[in-house]
Amino acid sequence: EVQLVESGGGLVQPGGSLRLSCSASGFTLSSYSMNWVRQAPGKGLEWVSYISGSSSTIYYADSVKGRFTISRDNAKNSLYLQMNSLRAEDTAVYYCARGSTVTYFEYWGQGTLVTVSS
Amino acid sequence: DIQMTQSPSTLSASLGDRVTITCRASQSISSWLAWYQQKVGKAPKLLIYEASNLESGVPSRFSGSGSGTEFTLTISSLQPDDFATYYCQQYKSLWTFGQGTKVEIK
Repeated sequence: EVQLVESGGGLVQPGGSLRLSCSASGFTLSSYSMNWVRQAPGKGLEWVSYISGSSSTIYYADSVKGRFTISRDNAKNSLYLQMNSLRAEDTAVYYCARGSTVTYFEYWGQGTLVTVSS
Repeated sequence: DIQMTQSPSTLSASLGDRVTITCRASQSISSWLAWYQQKVGKAPKLLIYEASNLESGVPSRFSGSGSGTEFTLTISSLQPDDFATYYCQQYKSLWTFGQGTKVEIK
């Protein structure tokens, strides 16, 4: 059974940093691209970042480019999102999602809440 | 950037109703479109990919159609478990979601 479990969310002050993790099980992580998607309270879904299975290709949404860094450790079955220079508008539930071979999102984790507030 | 626009934003319907949600892309995305269902407090769930392909395990009352810039998600007979918010997503060029359609009880 495919499982994705996010962790690392919490309360952080504006300008601060946070590192999210996504632990994967039930499949071979290196064979799949992975994504981060976020959802601000009461709002819709926003794609944040993509990383290919080998980490050779990475994309970011304009809203986080230069502040967030996606990475993965296939040996540890883990995906990461390093978030720096956090702003109030980064407050959201952050989901990790596995990409299909054609890159729609087949499986999602349960999400972790990031709150940026003083 | 490709923009996705869903309509309506909210839809009130009764059990057994046929429900249709529309999604329009700002430029042609061929059939690179997925639909997701999200219930309150839960992660999104994939329903349909490549515009019309039903994900394994999804009830057959869900169907998708369209290509190019206009797409529809249809629920043939609304069931209690279907009250949720639905999102379309293009994956032709990076990824963009529609703003969502909330299906609520009439």
